[in-house]
Amino acid sequence: AQKITQTQPGMFVQEKEAVTLDCTYDTSDQSYGLFWYKQPSSGEMIFLIYQGSYDEQNATEGRYSLNFQKARKSANLVISASQLGDSAMYFCSTLFNFNKFYFGSGTKLNVKP
Amino acid sequence: DSGVTQTPKHLITATGQRVTLRCSPRSGDLSVYWYQQSLDQGLQFLIQYYNGEERAKGNILERFSAQQFPDLHSELNLSSLELGDSALYFCASSYQIGPPGGNEQFFGPGTRLTVL
Repeated sequence: AQKITQTQPGMFVQEKEAVTLDCTYDTSDQSYGLFWYKQPSSGEMIFLIYQGSYDEQNATEGRYSLNFQKARKSANLVISASQLGDSAMYFCSTLFNFNKFYFGSGTKLNVKP
Repeated sequence: DSGVTQTPKHLITATGQRVTLRCSPRSGDLSVYWYQQSLDQGLQFLIQYYNGEERAKGNILERFSAQQFPDLHSELNLSSLELGDSALYFCASSYQIGPPGGNEQFFGPGTRLTVL
């Protein structure tokens, strides 16, 4: 069964605008983690942000925030004030059962000047 | 720089051969993960080690094996290589297992394997 879904293969956003990248997941676990990673064209994977399932507040890290809606099982990444350097692949990841990691298929974000 | 090192950066070999990929985790991290990233399969979790012991297995083929040594570095062995094994192999590390917090993974630069 598919555990995590990113429905947007590619997206465009204008520089300085905000963009939301979608991520939904499927689990019956009560305790789990949600992560977002960025992969620029250079290939490295960069950790961006983490949200725990019991965290009441949405996680924020600088221009990144995670819009966590537990009942809907969604964990969307919001990037505010997009920059050209934000152009990359973005992967949503989940941790279930304390040791099972799943990654989505990714969203390719292009920031236009 | 994530603090995770992987060697070699590139590897070109022939079908049927065997290769070893090496990973050193960040200082203090006990958990090591291996992933395979290919164009058609995306990012696939292969295997996880914690403090020398295997903790979780993903889509790892029987031709592949891994281990984590007492100094916490890890090796991924790929044997009887096929054309379809050509991919980018990532190693990642994190400092804990169990509760989700603290499990953010820090990735190495990857080893690009090309099987001809």
